[in-house]
Amino acid sequence: DAGVIQSPRHEVTEMGQEVTLRCKPISGHNSLFWYRQTMMRGLELLIYFNNNVPIDDSGMPEDRFSAKMPNASFSTLKIQPSEPRDSAVYFCASHPLRGYNEQFFGPGTRLTVL
Amino acid sequence: KQEVTQIPAALSVPEGENLVLNCSFTDSAIYNLQWFRQDPGKGLTSLLLIQSSQREQTSGRLNASLDKSSGRSTLYIAASQPGDSATYLCAVRNSGYSTLTFGKGTMLLVSP
Repeated sequence: DAGVIQSPRHEVTEMGQEVTLRCKPISGHNSLFWYRQTMMRGLELLIYFNNNVPIDDSGMPEDRFSAKMPNASFSTLKIQPSEPRDSAVYFCASHPLRGYNEQFFGPGTRLTVL
Repeated sequence: KQEVTQIPAALSVPEGENLVLNCSFTDSAIYNLQWFRQDPGKGLTSLLLIQSSQREQTSGRLNASLDKSSGRSTLYIAASQPGDSATYLCAVRNSGYSTLTFGKGTMLLVSP
């Protein structure tokens, strides 16, 4: 298996622009997580899905952030409009709902908002 | 609310030393605990997963122990190598359907 796949790996955009981050979980994993990592705040959970359904989005910082999971193999995290304080590394992770729930992370998307 | 603390925040050792990284959590009713490694600019790599019923897990030179009653886990690295230099994160899950709560990590530097 290729592991969790994220795209793009790097994104540089200007303030006010829309940003869309993409994630493909490991096949067969039915829980998907979006995290944000910064030096100041460490790793923060933004939202997670079980069986494509959002379970907890309390970590989503503002209405400018939205996430979707239209099917078991694809999820997006959208920021509209983006702001400089959104600059961070965004990680996607997945694990099976059953069994040991060992969580696997993607390589991350480094977002810079100018 | 579960809180996870990792001590020390940073550690520097010479190559060849055996070392211990510590992780403590406030709610001992955990489901499992996972240790991750993160290299600079990279994602998190899962190292070891310990279920609540287990006392330890081993993988190569790594050994993770779990003491639920005292709310602690340790990651033991034997014969450290420069390639072990990374940030090590501990994360706890409180139930099979809950999310992971992460510590802030221990940044390890192993010098040749």
